[in-house]
Amino acid sequence: GEDVEQSLFLSVREGDSSVINCTYTDSSSTYLYWYKQEPGAGLQLLTYIFSNMDMKQDQRLTVLLNKKDKHLSLRIADTQTGDSAIYFCAETGGYQKVTFGTGTKLQVIP
Amino acid sequence: SQTIHQWPATLVQPVGSPLSLECTVEGTSNPNLYWYRQAAGRGLQLLFYSVGIGQISSEVPQNLSASRPQDRQFILSSKKLLLSDSGFYLCAWTVQNYGYTFGSGTRLTVV
Repeated sequence: GEDVEQSLFLSVREGDSSVINCTYTDSSSTYLYWYKQEPGAGLQLLTYIFSNMDMKQDQRLTVLLNKKDKHLSLRIADTQTGDSAIYFCAETGGYQKVTFGTGTKLQVIP
Repeated sequence: SQTIHQWPATLVQPVGSPLSLECTVEGTSNPNLYWYRQAAGRGLQLLFYSVGIGQISSEVPQNLSASRPQDRQFILSSKKLLLSDSGFYLCAWTVQNYGYTFGSGTRLTVV
């Protein structure tokens, strides 16, 4: 079945850039997503990228997709303490199911 | 605008008791609806999804069940809870491939 993997933990200093990485196995993935989950809350969609795109930028967020290597990354510029959360990578090859990664806990040190 | 409501926010239930968690969506028609469980604040496990009224697909065998009695209502149930059913339950919906919209979650503790 489909598999999405992420490192479990990332620690950065406030003001630095954060890069969260994700690899996936489903070569038919059509849409890839990044979600943010703050403590005790549901998941919030941050951004998504269609599989025919290499990059997408939205304010402080930059998503890079290497479809050949099945690698997705999320870069957060000028990381703030409010960015501390768990970040989930997810993918879908169809419209019924989305496979989520295990989540990367981002800790921002003041 | 589209919104998703999920309740209750927290629930403590004894082992062997029944469960009913409800999720409703507003502002959209014929959404795909999903129940996920998140254990220990980490990965998400897809439990059920539904593409229409009365249509339920189960991803993981367990003592939970789901029902969709109306287009925008999705219910997660159990006849007898187990300790292992504890977790954070999230309802979500999507209409297009622009990502899920999640509810705020229900934290279930089975004691």
